[in-house]
Amino acid sequence: AQSVTQLDSHVSVSEGTPVLLRCNYSSSYSPSLFWYVQHPNKGLQLLLKYTSAATLVKGINGFEAEFKKSETSFHLTKPSAHMSDAAEYFCVVTGTDSWGKLQFGAGTQVVVTP
Amino acid sequence: DTEVTQTPKHLVMGMTNKKSLKCEQHMGHRAMYWYKQKAKKPPELMFVYSYEKLSINESVPSRFSPECPNSSLLNLHLHALQPEDSALYLCASSQASGGGETQYFGPGTRLLVL
Repeated sequence: AQSVTQLDSHVSVSEGTPVLLRCNYSSSYSPSLFWYVQHPNKGLQLLLKYTSAATLVKGINGFEAEFKKSETSFHLTKPSAHMSDAAEYFCVVTGTDSWGKLQFGAGTQVVVTP
Repeated sequence: DTEVTQTPKHLVMGMTNKKSLKCEQHMGHRAMYWYKQKAKKPPELMFVYSYEKLSINESVPSRFSPECPNSSLLNLHLHALQPEDSALYLCASSQASGGGETQYFGPGTRLLVL
C-alpha cells in the first residue's frame, strides 16, 4: 500500500524567489511518484514523474524534484517563482500493486506575491 | 498530443434530471478513469475502465452509471443526483491500468445539482 503526505497546505512566495513544496511518501513496492499542478477551475496537469531512472527529475515550466529513498521524500522545487505558478500542487504515488489507483496528497496551495 | 477532452464544461441539473458527461481521448490509451473532486480536496477515484471493461468501482452510488462505448470514449450517466454530488468531475486516461502508468487528465466538468 502507498500513502503520501504533503507537509505544507499553503506556501506563499514572492515572485522571483525559490519555491519548495515538500512531499513524503510510503510505499511497499518500488513507487512511481508524480507532481501534478491544478490551476483554478482547470484539470490536473502533469509536472513531472519519477520512475527510478534518475533521482533528479526535471519537469515542465522550470520545476524539478529529487527522489531521496533514505528520506522517503520527493520534494518539488523551482529556482524562481512566476506569477503563473500560483496554483494547487498535488504529490501522487502509485506502485506496481496499485492497479491504476493513484494515492494523492492533500495538496499545497501556492500563492505568489509581486 | 496528451489531450483528454470533456464535455460539457459546466452543467446545472435538478435532482430529477438525467444527464451525461462525456470524455474523449485519441492517444490510443486503453485505461480510462472517472474522478470526483470537491473544492480544496484532491480528486477521488470513482471508476476505472481497462480495455473497455469496468475493472474498479470505488463503491460509487448507483445514481452514477459509467459507460465505455469504445476505446476512445467514456461516459458518465447521471440520474437522481443529490446536492452533495455537486463537484468537479475529472476524466483521465493512461496507456494501461497498471501501477506506475501516467494518467493524463481532462479539464473537468463542473456540476451543480440543485
